[in-house]
Amino acid sequence: QKEVEQNSGPLSVPEGAIASLNCTYSDRGSQSFFWYRQYSGKSPELIMFIYSNGDKEDGRFTAQLNKASQYVSLLIRDSQPSDSATYLCAVSNGNKLVFGAGTILRVKS
Amino acid sequence: KAGVTQTPRYLIKTRGQQVTLSCSPISGHRSVSWYQQTPGQGLQFLFEYFSETQRNKGNFPGRFSGRQFSNSRSEMNVSTLELGDSALYLCASSLEGQVAGAIEEQYFGPGTRLTVT
Repeated sequence: QKEVEQNSGPLSVPEGAIASLNCTYSDRGSQSFFWYRQYSGKSPELIMFIYSNGDKEDGRFTAQLNKASQYVSLLIRDSQPSDSATYLCAVSNGNKLVFGAGTILRVKS
Repeated sequence: KAGVTQTPRYLIKTRGQQVTLSCSPISGHRSVSWYQQTPGQGLQFLFEYFSETQRNKGNFPGRFSGRQFSNSRSEMNVSTLELGDSALYLCASSLEGQVAGAIEEQYFGPGTRLTVT
């Protein structure tokens, strides 16, 4: 079992819809969780981070953490074509971050 | 505030050579982590430096090494390059690296694209 798992996609949503991205992790001791967006040929850009159970909202983005079920999700409301990218989930494992392989999101106009 | 900077942005080397990559963190950030990103393996942690000391290390051979200077700038060195070392090398900085035992948010630089021929 991989430490951090994401569906590779692509996840296709129409413009204006809600995109839902999910990530599961194996280390029950993980304490911090991050979502990065990576455009093709660019470096990852931090868009959300969450430390405790529950939801965190920032503009069109909501991160949800469920420690009991060991999953993290990212909701993108009112999806725009500019949101088309690879979304990387990262989870702390001991003293380092472990990244998932990423989910490709395509927003169709 | 300026972001993380990395130099050079692109590099082409030959098998057997060595290479040094440089990273300047965000002003005030003291922790610098290095990652390797390849299409096959994704983003993998190489090591983290804090206060000029390597604090954490990933599962990479000893050919990969690094150091950090008193101004928090960091360098990464790869000796005896192999074809498989071709990758995007990313540096990320954070304030302290960890807070209350949890890894802090990290901000990535633009990366150095290394091609080994």
